[in-house]
Amino acid sequence: DAKTTQPTSMDCAEGRAANLPCNHSTISGNEYVYWYRQIHSQGPQYIIHGLKNNETNEMASLIITEDRKSSTLILPHATLRDTAVYYCIVRAVQGAQKLVFGQGTRLTINP
Amino acid sequence: GAVVSQHPSWVICKSGTSVKIECRSLDFQATTMFWYRQFPKQSLMLMATSNEGSKATYEQGVEKDKFLINHASLTLSTLTVTSAHPEDSSFYICSASPLTMYSSPLHFGNGTRLTVT
Repeated sequence: DAKTTQPTSMDCAEGRAANLPCNHSTISGNEYVYWYRQIHSQGPQYIIHGLKNNETNEMASLIITEDRKSSTLILPHATLRDTAVYYCIVRAVQGAQKLVFGQGTRLTINP
Repeated sequence: GAVVSQHPSWVICKSGTSVKIECRSLDFQATTMFWYRQFPKQSLMLMATSNEGSKATYEQGVEKDKFLINHASLTLSTLTVTSAHPEDSSFYICSASPLTMYSSPLHFGNGTRLTVT
């Protein structure tokens, strides 16, 4: 079963920052937080991942709380092409390395 | 880098026939690949873990004799849907991560849309 909780849907205005929350209160010490997104009829696209420090790359920023029980994905300047379903997933560093998907957040960017 | 390619992108087949879907890691080697299935308006469901040189591991409820997985090399895994029926119509997606990179993210193919008539 998925170990994360995300809002079902969110809206954001084009050009504004989109902040997507994720709750993972049962995360263990050897689990990373991964974010993926899926645009309609395509395979999931990797966005970013982190263990306990905040991370930033060319696509987004990941803010993880100090207790690691929640995180926020930030798309700094959302565009219409960012409309997608965003998945927050916790994944063990070792072992099977599989990803178990929850229902994700359907983010709609409005013009 | 880290590109995963799936073929075909879509396929239509008649009920009772078999369909093979290929998943290739183009610029890295992968001991393990994963196969997912996604029905309309639903999330991805893991079907099986494909292990190079050994038998695949199937998730509970997935029929191993119906969904044959072969992982013959470090860059290729295949999923064969045998005796396909309309209820097998779905979006099938594979994923893989580089062999030796610790915590390396899984990368996904663009999926194969299977329609069984």
